[in-house]
Amino acid sequence: QKEVEQNSGPLSVPEGAIASLNCTYSDRGSQSFFWYRQYSGKSPELIMSIYSNGDKEDGRFTAQLNKASQYVSLLIRDSQPSDSATYLCAVFGGTSYGKLTFGQGTILTVHP
Amino acid sequence: GAGVSQSPRYKVAKRGQDVALRCDPISGHVSLFWYQQALGQGPEFLTYFQNEAQLDKSGLPSDRFFAERPEGSVSTLKIQRTQQEDSAVYLCASSPPRGSGGAIDIQYFGAGTRLSVL
Repeated sequence: QKEVEQNSGPLSVPEGAIASLNCTYSDRGSQSFFWYRQYSGKSPELIMSIYSNGDKEDGRFTAQLNKASQYVSLLIRDSQPSDSATYLCAVFGGTSYGKLTFGQGTILTVHP
Repeated sequence: GAGVSQSPRYKVAKRGQDVALRCDPISGHVSLFWYQQALGQGPEFLTYFQNEAQLDKSGLPSDRFFAERPEGSVSTLKIQRTQQEDSAVYLCASSPPRGSGGAIDIQYFGAGTRLSVL
């Protein structure tokens, strides 16, 4: 079992729709959870961080964390073609203290 | 201010050649991380420094990989006798110190060095 797993892609949504990206993790001691966006050929860019159970909203992005279920998600409302990228879920803490453990990424395509 | 800077951006090496990849972290960031990202995969941890001390090198895939940060700022990742399986993007990230309003877990990435071993 991979330490961090993301829903298999690619994911394609029409412009204006909600894109839903999911991630599960295996280390119950994990403390911090992140979503990075990576455009093709570019470096990962941090878009959301979440540390406690519940929802965290930032503009069109909402991160959700459920530690009991070891589940993290990212919702993108009113998706735009510029949101087309690979989204990486990353986990920090527990046995992974001092490093980020990433999922394999989900490719999102928003079509006009 | 300037972000994490990596050089070269692209490196082509012949199999068996040694390579050195450089990372210049954000000024004032004490923690520095190296990751390896294969095509179509998420980054995988290689090693981590706090100032000049290498606190974790558990992700280095073999003894051909070596990293240093002698003065606690710029870091170099060296790969000896490169093999085709070393072809990947090598990402460097840095984190601000605790107590400065930042947290060690927030990592800012450089653009990476794409290594191709022929």
